[in-house]
Amino acid sequence: DTGVSQDPRHKITKRGQNVTFRCDPISEHNRLYWYRQTLGQGPEFLTYFQNEAQLEKSRLLSDRFSAERPKGSFSTLEIQRTEQGDSAMYLCASRILAGEGDTQYFGPGTRLTVL
Amino acid sequence: AQSVSQHNHHVILSEAASLELGCNYSYGGTVNLFWYVQYPGQHLQLLLKYFSGDPLVKGIKGFEAEFIKSKFSFNLRKPSVQWSDTAEYFCAVNDANAGKSTFGDGTTLTVKP
Repeated sequence: DTGVSQDPRHKITKRGQNVTFRCDPISEHNRLYWYRQTLGQGPEFLTYFQNEAQLEKSRLLSDRFSAERPKGSFSTLEIQRTEQGDSAMYLCASRILAGEGDTQYFGPGTRLTVL
Repeated sequence: AQSVSQHNHHVILSEAASLELGCNYSYGGTVNLFWYVQYPGQHLQLLLKYFSGDPLVKGIKGFEAEFIKSKFSFNLRKPSVQWSDTAEYFCAVNDANAGKSTFGDGTTLTVKP
């Protein structure tokens, strides 16, 4: 396994459209995190899963955002009725609960541009 | 709530100069501290981390950081930078339970050859 992968790497969409991103974590990593990064800022936490359970959602995650991890492996992040303010890099990270402690491994991100 | 402050937004150094990037955090509980690096066009990579024990931690590529609990600081240092260190550096603190990270806004380091 070479690391966390995300698809697509880039997405351009028109305002009002729905988009879905996928994250494949490192195999056997129990926890999966989603972050959003805008220009000039550090990543901001959105939500995280332990296996298939979504344990926490940030207040940044409006009702238009939904995330799933149905089988405890890959995860999807969907944004409905996109707005220009949703333009950002969406990062996924995973970690294992034992062995390496608190270390998260980040994917390359999906860059979303909303026109 | 956790917060992380990185003092320098952009640092420009010549090769062989010494580097120190400041990071202060605010959090009332047990924290784990991290520095990440993002090279141009690449994703976030872990430079080093502090969980417990020796407050001086050494990471990859000659970087080190010192955790000073009384100052809520975790500054990153390197004695002699190289052109290849040009990148964006992020300090982060983790909630020890949930493991979610709070990041600073990053410091862009430019090393002139």
